[in-house]
Amino acid sequence: GAGVSQSPSNKVTEKGKDVELRCDPISGHTALYWYRQSLGQGLEFLIYFQGNSAPDKSGLPSDRFSAERTGGSVSTLTIQRTQQEDSAVYLCASSQRSQETQYFGPGTRLLVL
Amino acid sequence: AQKVTQAQTEISVVEKEDVTLDCVYETRDTTYYLFWYKQPPSGELVFLIRRNSFDEQNEISGRYSWNFQKSTSSFNFTITASQVVDSAVYFCALETSGTYKYIFGTGTRLKVLA
Repeated sequence: GAGVSQSPSNKVTEKGKDVELRCDPISGHTALYWYRQSLGQGLEFLIYFQGNSAPDKSGLPSDRFSAERTGGSVSTLTIQRTQQEDSAVYLCASSQRSQETQYFGPGTRLLVL
Repeated sequence: AQKVTQAQTEISVVEKEDVTLDCVYETRDTTYYLFWYKQPPSGELVFLIRRNSFDEQNEISGRYSWNFQKSTSSFNFTITASQVVDSAVYFCALETSGTYKYIFGTGTRLKVLA
């Protein structure tokens, strides 16, 4: 597609449930990033993938968070045993290569009740 | 430590006024990139500009202009003759060479009133 797409656009879940968020990067972009935007924390980096290399997980807030990227394209961010503090907008971005301009998707708004 | 400060939380202007959004950054690296993004009510971050640390030339794109001053570690953004469609949250971001993580400021909410 023309831009980064994310699904679902909105997700409401109950505390303790697992959720999966999906990101489709711009075709041909090798680098993919996940960020989280919450009221109290602003925009924070979560994880980065470059091609098929092992991801940098340094920004993941806890071991309940994990992400994978299949075939160097689509990525899923999984949050296990969700907590209310996980409520945020999860943004995905891609760039042609690392250190190039990142283009962002519309985000997934997650609400944990 | 790297940090981006956008001290203006919210600005309101009347249409056709000029407005400047401030961005001050901190980094010890000599090679870095600065960015501005616009986040309209729809939520998607829209890329506006990327500037590397070796290029201090000011840039103008239509009604938008950017003033990069290394001496004051600032990368300010001016909208000339603002329009209602400019209403959005604007984020300044920093990326240092050798990394790929953006350090974002907290954003400035701009409201342009008709």
